Amino acid sequence: KNQVEQSPQSLIILEGKNCTLQCNYTVSPFSNLRWYKQDTGRGPVSLTIMTFSENTKSNGRYTATLDADTKQSSLHITASQLSDSASYICVVSGSNAGNMLTFGGGTRLMVKP
Amino acid sequence: DAGVIQSPRHEVTEMGQEVTLRCKPISGHDYLFWYRQTMMRGLELLIYFNNNVPIDDSGMPEDRFSAKMPNASFSTLKIQPSEPRDSAVYFCASTRTGRVGEQYFGPGTRLTVT
Repeated sequence: KNQVEQSPQSLIILEGKNCTLQCNYTVSPFSNLRWYKQDTGRGPVSLTIMTFSENTKSNGRYTATLDADTKQSSLHITASQLSDSASYICVVSGSNAGNMLTFGGGTRLMVKP
Repeated sequence: DAGVIQSPRHEVTEMGQEVTLRCKPISGHDYLFWYRQTMMRGLELLIYFNNNVPIDDSGMPEDRFSAKMPNASFSTLKIQPSEPRDSAVYFCASTRTGRVGEQYFGPGTRLTVT
């Protein structure tokens, strides 16, 4: 069964600090992995996408890594800002036809001043 | 582009009533997805369409739920009769062929069934 597990479930950090969110998956065959940011009361918005051959990808202060061998991904946020407070959802796509998306439960991040 | 449009943004209804949620996908997108999000279960895919045709409705919880896509620019999700456990945020998302992982989500409809 395809699964995506995220940790921690929630995290509180001080503004300016760094943090790392984890994502483990069992989706097979694997196509790509995305990190979405969901602000309270809004729909998720894609931050990064990573395919099998990519190890790391950055989007501003967000850096995602992927280890396809161990089926793990991380999202590192540098110099956090108050606006980073949101849920971060790891989403994995399978490459089989009709194998849509498997969503992680998300990590709820709160950045405090 | 206005993005994915959903209506209403909030819906409060009594148990047993019919609820209809509406979605307008981004123009040119040929995939449309309906999701439900709760604190307990996170995001769950209910059903998705490709070129207005339902492809996979295995996520629809039960027969009380139905979805239609009469044309490329409009879809509905109907719950009849509604129950308190249907209370959730319902998202519609769209994308185009070849970019299924890159879905654009609407703002969601927060449904409360009392």
